Amino acid sequence: KAGVTQTPRYLIKTRGQQVTLSCSPISGHRSVSWYQQTPGQGLQFLFEYFSETQRNKGNFPGRFSGRQFSNSRSEMNVSTLELGDSALYLCASSLMWEGTDTQYFGPGTRLTVL
Amino acid sequence: AQSVTQLGSHVSVSEGALVLLRCNYSSSVPPYLFWYVQYPNQGLQLLLKYTSAATLVKGINGFEAEFKKSETSFHLTKPSAHMSDAAEYFCAVSDPASGSRLTFGEGTQLTVNP
Repeated sequence: KAGVTQTPRYLIKTRGQQVTLSCSPISGHRSVSWYQQTPGQGLQFLFEYFSETQRNKGNFPGRFSGRQFSNSRSEMNVSTLELGDSALYLCASSLMWEGTDTQYFGPGTRLTVL
Repeated sequence: AQSVTQLGSHVSVSEGALVLLRCNYSSSVPPYLFWYVQYPNQGLQLLLKYTSAATLVKGINGFEAEFKKSETSFHLTKPSAHMSDAAEYFCAVSDPASGSRLTFGEGTQLTVNP
């Protein structure tokens, strides 16, 4: 089976712009989660989607949003980019929406905001 | 709220020596616990997980971890370190009532010296 894929792998944007990141989960997986990884804050949970519904949301401003499509693919959007949004954004998929499920991570999208 | 503390942001061992990476958790409910590894410029890969079955959990690449409720710990060990084990390791906890959401520790960078 193919793993979790994320596109693009690298992005460079300037402050004030917006960006959309894409995640394709493992085939058959219905839950997709997003995490932000930075040297200062570590790995932080952004949100989780299951069956096109947001089930969980982390402590991030409203500039961060996401959605999930009927084929389980997910996108996250960041509007009005700030320098502090520079990070590695990781997507993870799991079979269902249960704490015991293993989350499989993609390689991430590295976003640089100038 | 749940949290995870990893003692030691950097651990250095010699090749062939015991690897011990420490993780303590805080949770108001029986937790599910995970160890992930991250190699440079890659996503996270699951090493092992505890989901209330056996307290001694064996994972990939010769790693294992023991869940100790009395000590609220879930330390990761490997009897003999290999050069290829050099990476960053993350301990994570999930709340059974909150879906797949993971709360990560700060990470431990493992260096293996020849």
